[in-house]
Amino acid sequence: ETGVTQTPRHLVMGMTNKKSLKCEQHLGHNAMYWYKQSAKKPLELMFVYNFKEQTENNSVPSRFSPECPNSSHLFLHLHTLQPEDSALYLCASSQERAIGNEQFFGPGTRLTVL
Amino acid sequence: EDQVTQSPEALRLQEGESSSLNCSYTVSGLRGLFWYRQDPGKGPEFLFTLYSAGEEKEKERLKATLTKKESFLHITAPKPEDSATYLCAVQALYNQGGKLIFGQGTELSVKP
Repeated sequence: ETGVTQTPRHLVMGMTNKKSLKCEQHLGHNAMYWYKQSAKKPLELMFVYNFKEQTENNSVPSRFSPECPNSSHLFLHLHTLQPEDSALYLCASSQERAIGNEQFFGPGTRLTVL
Repeated sequence: EDQVTQSPEALRLQEGESSSLNCSYTVSGLRGLFWYRQDPGKGPEFLFTLYSAGEEKEKERLKATLTKKESFLHITAPKPEDSATYLCAVQALYNQGGKLIFGQGTELSVKP
C-alpha cells in the first residue's frame, strides 16, 4: 500500500462513452501526475499538477481532460477514446522540493477501449 | 534531448546467480535518478534515489550505484520473489515540475 489509490482498477468502454478515472493520495504531497503505460513502451507522462495548478501537459490529445480539485484528488476525464488509448493509466504523487523528489504510484487503471 | 536506456531488456537468472542491470542516461544536469520495481498489473514501487556520481544505496539483495553516465542495479543471490520489471528514471535540474523520464525497463526472471 503506497498511500495512492485509484478507481476503478479495470475499465472497458466503447469509443463513444464518457468515463472518469479517480486518484486519491493520502501522503500529504503537493504534486500529482498522470502517466500512460503501454505494452513494451516506457511510461509516458501525461499531466502534472503542483498545488492544484497544471504545470505540464505533455502534448496529450484533448479527449483526455484532467481535473485537480485539491492537492489530494486527481481525475482524468475520458471521452471519444480510440482503441490505441487502451493502456494502464497510473497516478502518482510527490512532495515537490529542490532536490529530486520520489514519486509514489497507485496500482493503476487498466483501460480497454473497444 | 534527455534520454534513458536500460539493458538488457530481459534477464533470466537462476536462484543465487548474482547479476547487474544497467541504466544509461543523458540529461542536461541530473536532479535525481530513481529505481522502481514493477510487478505485473501493478504500479511501480519506489526503490532508490541517487543524486550524485559515486553514491550507492542498498536494500536487502539490491544495491544501486551511480556514475555521470549510468547507474547499475546489482542483485546479489536473487530469489524467485525478486522477479519483476525494474524501471530506471531521471529528473533534470531544469525541470522544477517533477517530470520523470523513464527507460523501457528490464524484465527480470529468477528461477528456483
